[in-house]
This record gives sequence, C-alpha cells and structure tokens, in this order.
Amino acid sequence: SAVISQKPSRDICQRGTSLTIQCQVDSQVTMMFWYRQQPGQSLTLIATANQGSEATYESGFVIDKFPISRPNLTFSTLTVSNMSPEDSSIYLCSVDPGTGTGYTFGSGTRLTVV
Amino acid sequence: GEDVEQSLFLSVREGDSSVINCTYTDSSSTYLYWYKQEPGAGLQLLTYIFSNMDMKQDQRLTVLLNKKDKHLSLRIADTQTGDSAIYFCAEAKGATNKLIFGTGTLLAVQP
Repeated sequence: SAVISQKPSRDICQRGTSLTIQCQVDSQVTMMFWYRQQPGQSLTLIATANQGSEATYESGFVIDKFPISRPNLTFSTLTVSNMSPEDSSIYLCSVDPGTGTGYTFGSGTRLTVV
Repeated sequence: GEDVEQSLFLSVREGDSSVINCTYTDSSSTYLYWYKQEPGAGLQLLTYIFSNMDMKQDQRLTVLLNKKDKHLSLRIADTQTGDSAIYFCAEAKGATNKLIFGTGTLLAVQP
C-alpha cells in the first residue's frame, strides 16, 4: 500500500494566521483527499484534489478558507487560512492507491489555534 | 438519511465477541471499510468488503454486509484489551470513490 508522509505533525498557531500542511506520497495517485477530524468527532471530507484541476470542495468548505494545491501526482498541500479557534482539529490526507486494498491515511496534523 | 450511522459506545469483556454495527447511505457504494483509531493515533485500515459480497472473514474479524438494508457489521472474535479503540465504518461514494465516514463507535474492553 502507499506510504504518506504528512507534515507538520502538530502546530500551535495564532488566530488570524495561516498554516500549510503537506502530504507526500511514495507513488503516483490520481486523487488525494483532505479530511478534518474535530475533537471527539468523526472524519469529514473537506475536498478532493485531482492533479491538473481545481479541487472539488464538499458542502460547508470553500476554497478561500482551505486552498489546496496539487502540483503533481505525488504531492498536495492544504492551507488553513485566517485561522480561528474553531479550526482546531486534526487534518488528514488520504489516497486510494488503486490496488483494491483500501485507502491510506497520513499520520495527521494536530492543529491548535489560540 | 444523509449520515453513516453507528452506535456511539460498546463495552465488552475480554474474550467475548464484539459486534459493531453501521448503517450506510448509498446503495451503489462499491467498497465498504472498517478503520480503527487508537487514542492519539492515526487511522488503521482493518478490513474492507466489496459490495457483491455478503461476508468476509479475516482472522478474528468478520464483516457482514446486508445490501438490501444498507447495513454493515464488524464482528471481533475473542476481543482483547488491545482492541479498545474507536471504530469507523466508511463507504466509498460517488464517481471519485470518496470515503464518507460513520460517526464512530468507541469499543471499551473490560479485563
């Protein structure tokens, strides 16, 4: 299965600032997915990132708040912009390596906004 | 409904079987998954089932799928204290097969 390197693993940020999270995959994948896990909650899909096109955002998430880059088939970034304490969550990237063995997740970025 | 539903909490004694249930939303979902999340840890894929199957067994894990009722279950045989975690079901949905997660079930195993 694919191996994802996600960083940073955690950060504490001031409100009003932005944080960019990176995910690097050890193989080429068509789509990468970004999720948010708020404290004590399940995972919610933020957007799907396809190389060469704009990301597709789920209801309740917008590009101005969560801009995504997908410059090639092994890399993606998610930026959390103009942060507020409500953005404190774990953010995870995920890929489907297409081997029929299930989706792989990064180790997550634990974000605390103060 | 719109959500993938799971019961919030399950408590079992060590050595007993655990059954975690999930009701999903999309009858056209091709794959359904079970993930495990231990405290402070990432997501671990436990097992998955293709939609044309009604059962899959993998060592201590048995997955049952009822497509008519859109119901998925995970049975853990001989549950151990190390199985204590949150368990999420997920369905692969839509043209991109994006994963939609259930609400999660906290499994507590009593010694």
